[in-house]
Amino acid sequence: AQTVTQSQPEMSVQEAETVTLSCTYDTSENNYYLFWYKQPPSRQMILVIRQEAYKQQNATENRFSVNFQKAAKSFSLKISDSQLGDTAMYFCAFMPGGTGNQFYFGTGTSLTVIP
Amino acid sequence: EAGVAQSPRYKIIEKRQSVAFWCNPISGHATLYWYQQILGQGPKLLIQFQNNGVVDDSQLPKDRFSAERLKGVDSTLKIQPAKLEDSAVYLCASSEGLATTWFFGPGTRLTVL
Repeated sequence: AQTVTQSQPEMSVQEAETVTLSCTYDTSENNYYLFWYKQPPSRQMILVIRQEAYKQQNATENRFSVNFQKAAKSFSLKISDSQLGDTAMYFCAFMPGGTGNQFYFGTGTSLTVIP
Repeated sequence: EAGVAQSPRYKIIEKRQSVAFWCNPISGHATLYWYQQILGQGPKLLIQFQNNGVVDDSQLPKDRFSAERLKGVDSTLKIQPAKLEDSAVYLCASSEGLATTWFFGPGTRLTVL
């Protein structure tokens, strides 16, 4: 069974500072994808960043980067230069590779950026 | 490009009533998912379609939930009869296929009284 754990229900960060959101997962799969999704109060889930498990290089998207440690099954998200618009619920998600894939989501981390 | 459309955005019903949600995926997207997101939890898959065929409905409470995707485009999710524990946001997502980008709709917030 695939499980995703986000151990930080709530976090806050000062504007322009850096914050790291934690995520661990459990799987016996070798081929899979990992994602961070952002869900603002409007509820639209927006992809922040994605990582393929076979890639050793950590994914980066502008101010967002991940620390992917496959052996430890850890996938943390670092947000640099935090902005007020980053305030949202952040979900870590796992998707097995192959056919019939589906997302397995964590319970989310509510991030508040403080002016 | 237009996103995933869902309607209605909000619905309030009493228990034992019926309700239906509609999803229009991005044009050309073969894969469509319905997720249930209960307050304070991450979304959980209810059903996955590939074109108009069901790929996975193992977590769909089939005694009360049903879904269809006629012609492999739009999809409807129905609950009949609704229970209090069905109160949640119902999210629709679509993708072109495997290993591609997935897009989520804005969701339908259902409140069962």
